Amino acid sequence: QKEVEQDPGPLSVPEGAIVSLNCTYSNSAFQYFMWYRQYSRKGPELLMYTYSSGNKEDGRFTAQVDKSSKYISLFIRDSQPSDSATYLCAMSYGQNFVFGPGTRLSVLP
Amino acid sequence: DGGITQSPKYLFRKEGQNVTLSCEQNLNHDAMYWYRQDPGQGLRLIYYSQIVNDFQKGDIAEGYSVSREKKESFPLTVTSAQKNPTAFYLCASTPGTYNYGYTFGSGTRLTVV
Repeated sequence: QKEVEQDPGPLSVPEGAIVSLNCTYSNSAFQYFMWYRQYSRKGPELLMYTYSSGNKEDGRFTAQVDKSSKYISLFIRDSQPSDSATYLCAMSYGQNFVFGPGTRLSVLP
Repeated sequence: DGGITQSPKYLFRKEGQNVTLSCEQNLNHDAMYWYRQDPGQGLRLIYYSQIVNDFQKGDIAEGYSVSREKKESFPLTVTSAQKNPTAFYLCASTPGTYNYGYTFGSGTRLTVV
């Protein structure tokens, strides 16, 4: 079993839709959870950062962590074509840092 | 503006050749990292450095070498011993620990010709 799993997609949605992106993980020691957005041929940029369980909201983006289920989610409300990118989850504890393989999202106008 | 600059954006390597990828940051970050990204795979750690003149191997260090002579600079050399070097290479930095999340450069696409 991989340490972090993420559906690679591609996921295609119409503009304005609510998007749900998810990762599951196997190591209960992870404490910090992140979502990165990566446009084609660019480096990833940090979108959301949460510690332990709970929700965090930033504009149209909400990150959710359920440590009991080892499951994290990123919700995008009112999705825009400019949200089309690959979304990578990442998580860490101590000096251990693991990225998921990413989900490719296309928001169609 | 603070950030990480990677150069070149595209690089072509002939069989048996060593090539060096540049990474410079002006964020005053202590730690710097090199990752490799292949289609359908997560980022894989090649090398990292938490302090000048010190660096550690990551998960896939074979065929690569690095140096950290200055805080701002962390060049990566892809040697001829790396048998499958075609990939997207990303340099990143953090203030001092992994937990704050990375700042990434824009990447270098290396292709073997």
